Amino acid sequence: DAGITQSPRHKVTETGTPVTLRCHQTENHRYMYWYRQDPGHGLRLIHYSYGVKDTDKGEVSDGYSVSRSKTEDFLLTLESATSSQTSVYFCAISGPPNTEAFFGQGTRLTVV
Amino acid sequence: SQQGEEDPQALSIQEGENATMNCSYKTSINNLQWYRQNSGRGLVHLILIRSNEREKHSGRLRVTLDTSKKSSSLLITASRAADTASYFCATGLPGASGSRLTFGEGTQLTVNP
Repeated sequence: DAGITQSPRHKVTETGTPVTLRCHQTENHRYMYWYRQDPGHGLRLIHYSYGVKDTDKGEVSDGYSVSRSKTEDFLLTLESATSSQTSVYFCAISGPPNTEAFFGQGTRLTVV
Repeated sequence: SQQGEEDPQALSIQEGENATMNCSYKTSINNLQWYRQNSGRGLVHLILIRSNEREKHSGRLRVTLDTSKKSSSLLITASRAADTASYFCATGLPGASGSRLTFGEGTQLTVNP
């Protein structure tokens, strides 16, 4: 799976609690991404990173923040989880621009 | 809004038949990619076609791209039960950082033994 590990793989949390998802890569790729996948919407980009400490917003960034302090780690934080953030979250990495992306196995998050 | 839209949403065929999935998009692109997702798993990259290419092959896969019609098709020949999965097209936009992709909603392919 191209050296991408997401943790945790499953999480149930209560509304209003903070949640952090972790993506770890061993490929030394420059670009990292967080997507969410929901029925009827395909995958939508939340945030992405183009280097250490360099991040930018994607299509559905409200309610999410990210951090990248090392090349290999990209963290996604839900500051105060809401039921609308129940989803499957995928991390992806890529090398040079306009090349293929490699995806992690996903984290299934349920906010109750 | 979704950049790519797949058609059909669902496709059921018999083993050995060919499967064709179509993707339409709205704006100029740098490349178009196809991914497969097995149930409950991550996405696996299948093939990338650049905007200046018209056709590309990889094993039993054939992808075409028509930039004038803003459309692409994925053909899987001699399908197998193991090809059962969801297939997504994704577009890479000009000037996009890295490989930021915009995905369609996918086609669910079922190959019956």
